[in-house]
Amino acid sequence: QSVLTQPPSASGTPGQRVTISCSGSTSNIGRNTVNWHQQLPGTAPELLIYADNQRPSGVPDRFSVSKSGTSASLAISGLQSEDEADYYCAAWDDILIGWVFGGGTKLTVL
Amino acid sequence: QVQLQQSGPGLLKPSQTLSLTCAISGDSVSSDSAAWNWIRQSPSRGLEWLGRTYYRSRWYSAYAPSVKSRIVIKADTSKNQFSLQLSSVTPEDTAMYYCARGPSPLRVWGQGTLVTVSS
Repeated sequence: QSVLTQPPSASGTPGQRVTISCSGSTSNIGRNTVNWHQQLPGTAPELLIYADNQRPSGVPDRFSVSKSGTSASLAISGLQSEDEADYYCAAWDDILIGWVFGGGTKLTVL
Repeated sequence: QVQLQQSGPGLLKPSQTLSLTCAISGDSVSSDSAAWNWIRQSPSRGLEWLGRTYYRSRWYSAYAPSVKSRIVIKADTSKNQFSLQLSSVTPEDTAMYYCARGPSPLRVWGQGTLVTVSS
């Protein structure tokens, strides 16, 4: 059972906008920034968004994040087939004193 | 840019000690702005942070409560790498293991090592 809660799946058609939610608590998302990782099949997770809404170089601005209180959402606009992957939210937890993750959301591009 | 290269055996028997190494290029394990993490991933437990080591005038290590009694993460400055040792493994320790650079975010990840514990 993951500390952060995500829906197990999401889907959309090319060009659509999809959102993936991530729910935590005051000890993690409520106090610290949220990061998002993308994991393509058979590969290691890669940093997608950090510090709530910063993108590493090379990540298109189709990816954005909103955060309110103890929850955050990843939005992907202009959905493309290459966006099909697993997406994980992550945050530092001040009580557990370690990183906590969501269970992951499998995004399918129909 | 920073790259992490993992190595270590992928098959263990119950009660053995898991030992993995993460070699760093493009950065120093002794950097006072980095933290070196181990994370594992399995279908039953998802992504699970195991612990980290970092240098801030002296070496620090921190571990997840779930493995605290069995884990050691330490740096080898002569080889610019860090390692994971997890003792008394059981089949529940079967997972893909990753090293990653922090402190925040976990910006760079190793390629992963599949570790299977089976008699």
